[in-house]
Amino acid sequence: QVQLQQWGAGLLKPSETLSLTCAVYGGSFSGYYWSWIRQSPGKGLEWIGEVNHSGSPNYNPSLKSRITISVDTSKNQFSLKLNSVTAADTAVYYCARVVPAASWNWFDPWGQGSLVTVSS
Amino acid sequence: DIQMTQSPSSLSASVGDRVTITCRASQSISSYLNWYQQKPGKAPKVLIYAASTLQSGVPSRFSGSGSGTDFTLTISSLQPEDFTTYYCQQSFSTPRTFGQGTKVEIK
Repeated sequence: QVQLQQWGAGLLKPSETLSLTCAVYGGSFSGYYWSWIRQSPGKGLEWIGEVNHSGSPNYNPSLKSRITISVDTSKNQFSLKLNSVTAADTAVYYCARVVPAASWNWFDPWGQGSLVTVSS
Repeated sequence: DIQMTQSPSSLSASVGDRVTITCRASQSISSYLNWYQQKPGKAPKVLIYAASTLQSGVPSRFSGSGSGTDFTLTISSLQPEDFTTYYCQQSFSTPRTFGQGTKVEIK
């Protein structure tokens, strides 16, 4: 059974770079897209972007200028970097696998979530 | 971006009640619609994908229907563990987008 475990810094100052990593255990890393999603009280659930095992990313246009999602296939890990953070980036960040079935897809499973707070 | 609108935002119901949550897309998304359940402090968990397919292990009291722009999640007989928040999500195009959530509360 695939499990995702994520980690990263939880408290940042404005203008710093958010950095989170998600490790995949118990299943194949190739053949899937791997996503980052965040949840804040103000904006609900927001898809940040995704990357496949080859490192090909898709980003949310609203965040594209500030994000990088990368993979380390040797460790079955993928990472998120979000630069120039502001208080509006305060949220719980989740990693998730994108499950494909024919042309449909959904997020499953999810990581445990990481609370990131941006405050001076 | 495709906007997903859920209604109601919250509802009160009793154990055993039949509950229906609606999700409307701002444009046609065929059957590219997923439903998630989220309990406090936990990550969302998929209940239904492709509008009406029940995820393995999910109780059969959950069902989904709809296509195009209008979708419903139905819980046929609410159980105590079902009082939590539900989200729809479209997978028709990127950016993938979610509804704002529906909180099911105990009456």
